Amino acid sequence: AQSVAQPEDQVNVAEGNPLTVKCTYSVSGNPYLFWYVQYPNRGLQFLLKYITGDNLVKGSYGFEAEFNKSQTSFHLKKPSALVSDSALYFCAVNQAGTALIFGKGTTLSVSS
Amino acid sequence: GAGVSQTPSNKVTEKGKYVELRCDPISGHTALYWYRQSLGQGPEFLIYFQGTGAADDSGLPNDRFFAVRPEGSVSTLKIQRTERGDSAVYLCASSASGGYNEQFFGPGTRLTVL
Repeated sequence: AQSVAQPEDQVNVAEGNPLTVKCTYSVSGNPYLFWYVQYPNRGLQFLLKYITGDNLVKGSYGFEAEFNKSQTSFHLKKPSALVSDSALYFCAVNQAGTALIFGKGTTLSVSS
Repeated sequence: GAGVSQTPSNKVTEKGKYVELRCDPISGHTALYWYRQSLGQGPEFLIYFQGTGAADDSGLPNDRFFAVRPEGSVSTLKIQRTERGDSAVYLCASSASGGYNEQFFGPGTRLTVL
């Protein structure tokens, strides 16, 4: 079975500092990995995905993610956090080209 | 262009009643997905349509849950004999052709079963 784990329920960072939201995965075969963000009272928004190729993937709103096969990780990063980045972040893996399997989510809180 | 829309945004019903939740995908998207999100959890997959047919319904929890997409566009999720444990936010998503393409989510329907 395929799964992702987000080991941190909450991440706190000061505005202007770099941020990292962690995700590890467990798959049989090639991983197809995604990050989504959920703002209050709004739907999930796609940030970025890794299918194949370059291990550093760039996405929306200045976010990027680093795929690390040896550590089975796909951590989300941003060089300089904004207060407006405060939201709930989900890592997901695509199961056989059908369903997304989501982690439990990590709440990011950026303080000014 | 318009995104995925879902109606109603909120639905309150009594235990044992029947409910229908509607999803309008992005125009031209052939793939449509239903997920369920409980408080403090990530979305959980329910069913996936490719065109009019259910390509994967392995996430439906039991036979009280059923979904249709008769014309390959709008989809309806139907829940019979609702139970309090069915209370959750039901999310719909669509993608251009399925596979590993990104899925675009609607705002969800919050279902409360009293």
